[in-house]
Amino acid sequence: AQSVTQPDIHITVSEGASLELRCNYSYGATPYLFWYVQSPGQGLQLLLKYFSGDTLVQGIKGFEAEFKRSQSSFNLRKPSVHWSDAAEYFCAVDPNQAGTALIFGKGTTLSVSS
Amino acid sequence: GAVVSQHPSWVICKSGTSVKIECRSLDFQATTMFWYRQFPKQSLMLMATSNEGSKATYEQGVEKDKFLINHASLTLSTLTVTSAHPEDSSFYICSARDWSRGNTEAFFGQGTRLTVV
Repeated sequence: AQSVTQPDIHITVSEGASLELRCNYSYGATPYLFWYVQSPGQGLQLLLKYFSGDTLVQGIKGFEAEFKRSQSSFNLRKPSVHWSDAAEYFCAVDPNQAGTALIFGKGTTLSVSS
Repeated sequence: GAVVSQHPSWVICKSGTSVKIECRSLDFQATTMFWYRQFPKQSLMLMATSNEGSKATYEQGVEKDKFLINHASLTLSTLTVTSAHPEDSSFYICSARDWSRGNTEAFFGQGTRLTVV
């Protein structure tokens, strides 16, 4: 079945430590891929996106993500986490590359400890 | 970047009444908008695709008569929760894609927190 999987429901990282949030997708062709961040009670902010080309994409707030076709993955990384990064992170796909609705993973809650 | 404005940000209504939520694309035209529902600490679930000038397309399991969607112009889509009940309490988010930018990014409203008492 077509799906977006974020295996980690909740991750706690020490401030200053590195971060990796996992995302796997299950679609026939490579979809458009996105990472969004959501603060409590707020809408979604786009961190970065991948459509084609360089498989390592840079985003805002120091985030980056790497697309690995062989693993059907699009993991989000940050070398040094700040306390303000604590939020909910969603991986999303546009499965048809056709401007249809995005399909979201279940999300990963990031907590940052001091 | 493109802006999608959603109004109101929060609303409390009595059980049995109807509530209208507006979603506007402020600086681009959106022939298609999307409505999502998000339960606490859960992901966004697509409810329906709103098409300008035509009927909305609802996802399986979403009641068309309860969640009325109207997309009368290229910049405005509305979601009306009719005869609201406490189980309709949720966070509703709209989204639109900007075709003029190659349709490569989805922009989201800030969401509407609906509480039915």
